Amino acid sequence: DVKVTQSSRYLVKRTGEKVFLECVQDMDHENMFWYRQDPGLGLRLIYFSYDVKMKEKGDIPEGYSVSREKKERFSLILESASTNQTSMYLCASGGAGGYGQYFGPGTRLTVT
Amino acid sequence: GQNIDQPTEMTATEGAIVQINCTYQTSGFNGLFWYQQHAGEAPTFLSYNVLDGLEEKGRFSSFLSRSKGYSYLLLKELQMKDSASYLCAVREGQGGKLIFGQGTELSVKP
Repeated sequence: DVKVTQSSRYLVKRTGEKVFLECVQDMDHENMFWYRQDPGLGLRLIYFSYDVKMKEKGDIPEGYSVSREKKERFSLILESASTNQTSMYLCASGGAGGYGQYFGPGTRLTVT
Repeated sequence: GQNIDQPTEMTATEGAIVQINCTYQTSGFNGLFWYQQHAGEAPTFLSYNVLDGLEEKGRFSSFLSRSKGYSYLLLKELQMKDSASYLCAVREGQGGKLIFGQGTELSVKP
């Protein structure tokens, strides 16, 4: 059974803080993705990675960076958190086969 | 460009059948996925179509017409627990990147 885990379910941070969101998958997938999901806007792709140390910008990369030092781990970094980054953040892995992407449980981030 | 359209909301009655439509415009089509997402939870995989036709899986079926850029998800014998958001997603090219529609919020009433 594929498992994608995220470091926190709920997180509260202050404006200007550096925030790290971690994602780990156990299926040896090459592809990993970070999305944010907001009411009325659906799932929006922030960054993705096709391999270790590789990263590509998604649709809304501004204000975010990522790190992929190991195949199983993909980190999303908010360099200086702002209130408009309050959102649900979802990590996913896979996508190349017939089961699409597998999602982690999500991290609900609140920036105050 | 990429564009995926699906209705924002639908309501149906317990025990009935509902069809959720999805139209798309993409280049390099390489598969269409349907996901179910309950409130506050992560999306979970429901179905995958890459060739034209109907894929049936229990109470859920999904149809694809590549020439029309059209898919639908059919839910039969609706149950209250089917109340959720249903996301249509298209894969382009050989990588794993998916383009998601905004989702259809389905409410099942007694």
